[in-house]
Formats: sequence, structure tokens, C-alpha cells
Amino acid sequence: LAKTTQPISMDSYEGQEVNITCSHNNIATNDYITWYQQFPSQGPRFIIQGYKTKVTNEVASLFIPADRKSSTLSLPRVSLSDTAVYYCLVGDRGNAGNMLTFGGGTRLMVKP
Amino acid sequence: DAGVIQSPRHEVTEMGQEVTLRCKPISGHNSLFWYRQTMMRGLELLIYFNNNVPIDDSGMPEDRFSAKMPNASFSTLKIQPSEPRDSAVYFCASRQFEKLFFGSGTQLSVL
Repeated sequence: LAKTTQPISMDSYEGQEVNITCSHNNIATNDYITWYQQFPSQGPRFIIQGYKTKVTNEVASLFIPADRKSSTLSLPRVSLSDTAVYYCLVGDRGNAGNMLTFGGGTRLMVKP
Repeated sequence: DAGVIQSPRHEVTEMGQEVTLRCKPISGHNSLFWYRQTMMRGLELLIYFNNNVPIDDSGMPEDRFSAKMPNASFSTLKIQPSEPRDSAVYFCASRQFEKLFFGSGTQLSVL
């Protein structure tokens, strides 16, 4: 399984754009990149998934460079409610057991 | 859909007692997962089922832990006997395509 490395924590202010980068140097050809968000006292929640280039949905954007050895989750104009832990996962989504290992995540603190 | 439903929400027990955690996955989801979360170890995958069959239980810490999925709408995680180091939040999740859907978790405290 491709190992991921993320910053342990980040601070931001309301209204700013936040970019969280995840390193996955040994990502395999069939691997996808998935991000989850976890609020205190809740289970993680799926945010976004991508394979290459850029993916955007109503919550976030995911940027993946050509070599796919890293990815960046971008949260536009964060609010206090975006304070959470963000996890990056890498694995082959065709294999049910392959995308299920959560690393330490990045603890994002949004300040007023 | 009500989402993944876990019970109880909180469980406090004494060392040596049996603990049973319950999970109802989202209808139509074929895979079910049990995770444990602690501050020290983060989110750990304990076991997962595909079509009610256990596929990988390598994350189950020891023989005191067992999990069953008798049908597509119900799963249990049992700890017998429980120990203080089992104190954690236990999450159940079901999966559709590439997405995991988590329940609200069971906060277990073993005294």
C-alpha cells in the first residue's frame, strides 16, 4: 500500500483558501487518491477523490500533478465549521480492502 | 436513508465484562468495516466484510475480539473479556463504490 505523509496540523483564518498537501511517493498505477474529513465526535466523511489533474465538487478541489506523487486538497474560503481533521488515502479502488488505511491526518484549525 | 447506525452510542463497563457493539449498514452496501480510533494509534481498521463474509481480520488485536455479520443489515463486534486498553471509539462503516460511510461511533470506556 502506498504510504501517505501529511502535515500534522495547519492554522488558517476565516475566508482564506486552505491547501493541504499529501505526499505519496510510491503510488501505484491503479491507485486513486481520496480525502476524508472528520469532525470531533463523528466518523470520517468522504470529501473528494481523484486519479489525475484536477477534480472539483461543491466542497473542495483536488489537484494532482502529472507524476501523481503528491496531491493537494484545496478548501476555498474556509469558515469556522471547516475546523476538522483531514485524511488522505491512496489505494486501488477496485480492491475493497485497499483504500482503507487512514494515516494521522492533518488537523486544520480555522480561526475567526 | 438514515445512514450507518451504531449502538450503543456510549458504553461504560468494568474490566472482564463482555461488550457487544452493533452496526446497521446502509441498505444496499455490500461491504462493512469496523474501525477503532484512539489518540495514540489513530484510526485502525479491525476487520471488514464483503457480502457478509469476513475478508480480512488481520487488524483484530487479539482473540478477545470477534466480529460477525449474520446478514446484510447487521453486524456485531464483541470483546470478551474487555480490558481498560480497549477503551476507544469504535466506528462501523459501509461502502458503496469508492466511498466509505461512517456511523457516529460507540465510545467505549472500560474501567
